[in-house]
Amino acid sequence: GQSLEQPSEVTAVEGAIVQINCTYQTSGFYGLSWYQQHDGGAPTFLSYNALDGLEETGRFSSFLSRSDSYGYLLLQELQMKDSASYFCAVRDLDNQGGKLIFGQGTELSVKP
Amino acid sequence: NAGVTQTPKFQVLKTGQSMTLQCAQDMNHNSMYWYRQDPGMGLRLIYYSASEGTTDKGEVPNGYNVSRLNKREFSLRLESAAPSQTSVYFCASSSNWGTDTQYFGPGTRLTVL
Repeated sequence: GQSLEQPSEVTAVEGAIVQINCTYQTSGFYGLSWYQQHDGGAPTFLSYNALDGLEETGRFSSFLSRSDSYGYLLLQELQMKDSASYFCAVRDLDNQGGKLIFGQGTELSVKP
Repeated sequence: NAGVTQTPKFQVLKTGQSMTLQCAQDMNHNSMYWYRQDPGMGLRLIYYSASEGTTDKGEVPNGYNVSRLNKREFSLRLESAAPSQTSVYFCASSSNWGTDTQYFGPGTRLTVL
């Protein structure tokens, strides 16, 4: 089976940089995804890492270390609108990687 | 392009009542999913349809049934609602089975009394 761990809450101030970590245990591995959810609304896809290293998309970056079974989401120049829950997810290899297994989510609060 | 739509947005049921949650996508996606989300928890997969004509159980299928009506529509049915099914239900779709990007609907907030 698969399991993921991420912190339940993170607080940061506007303009700062914050890192949300995710560690996973899997019997195999396709890649690590990140999703954002505002106020219980529809989760939206942010990024996907299949290979080691950093992927950058604007103010958001995502990092993966396959050897450490670890990844993180880095948010720079934080804005109030970044207050949301962030979920990491891995694909379930038992079904040809078709099912996503989500972590419990990290609630990010951005303070002025 | 509406993306993924869900109806209803809110619903209150009494224990033992039945209802069907509707989901439709207009992105010509092959795969569709139903998740539930409970407070402080991630998304748990209830059922999925890898392609039109197929459905299969996810992590928490007990008490639910699904129908992949056509390529666009995937419904979730609660035959006899229980308070433990109080949750927010999300439908999602992806272009193909095994692709990471899933697109989610706005959710249905269900309360079972």
